[in-house]
Amino acid sequence: QKEVEQNSGPLSVPEGAIASLNCTYSDRGSQSFFWYRQYSGKSPELIMFIYSNGDKEDGRFTAQLNKASQYVSLLIRDSQPSDSATYLCAVDSGTYKYIFGTGTRLKVLA
Amino acid sequence: NAGVTQTPKFRILKIGQSMTLQCTQDMNHNYMYWYRQDPGMGLKLIYYSVGAGITDKGEVPNGYNVSRSTTEDFPLRLELAAPSQTSVYFCASSSQGLRSQPQHFGDGTRLSIL
Repeated sequence: QKEVEQNSGPLSVPEGAIASLNCTYSDRGSQSFFWYRQYSGKSPELIMFIYSNGDKEDGRFTAQLNKASQYVSLLIRDSQPSDSATYLCAVDSGTYKYIFGTGTRLKVLA
Repeated sequence: NAGVTQTPKFRILKIGQSMTLQCTQDMNHNYMYWYRQDPGMGLKLIYYSVGAGITDKGEVPNGYNVSRSTTEDFPLRLELAAPSQTSVYFCASSSQGLRSQPQHFGDGTRLSIL
């Protein structure tokens, strides 16, 4: 069974620090990788997506993909209390479908 | 653009009742999805559709049915509600591309079966 694994956390970081969130996946055929942020009681919202090996930066967020090792990570620089949420990793699974990890809960301490 | 709209936002059902969760999107997306999310868990795919008239089962389809008569609408039907169907239900849509595209989510329907 295809799986996406995330550490459930909570991951606690002080305000201003770098938060590093990791995700591993089992399907070597996966080509598309997504990070969603989900505040408590809210729906997931897209943060980043990445298709190619290496880094992709968008503001304070950087997604890193290593297909050989089958992991994708999300770095949040200058973490703010408003970044406190659950971060879901999603990976495409064949055509049209996605598999989600259970999420990592991030707490940014003021 | 409203994006993906789900109704109702909250609902309490009695065991054995039926209901339809509505989902509509105004982005002309071909792909639509229904997920459920149990507390502390990730999203589990119930059903998905790649276009009007085409639907397929996801990971956890038992107890649910869907239809897709138009590009915009993708309702989810619960027949004979059971306590195990207590969950938060999210509808999502995505566009078509050479690679899988990001999904846009509705606000969710919180459903309790008592």
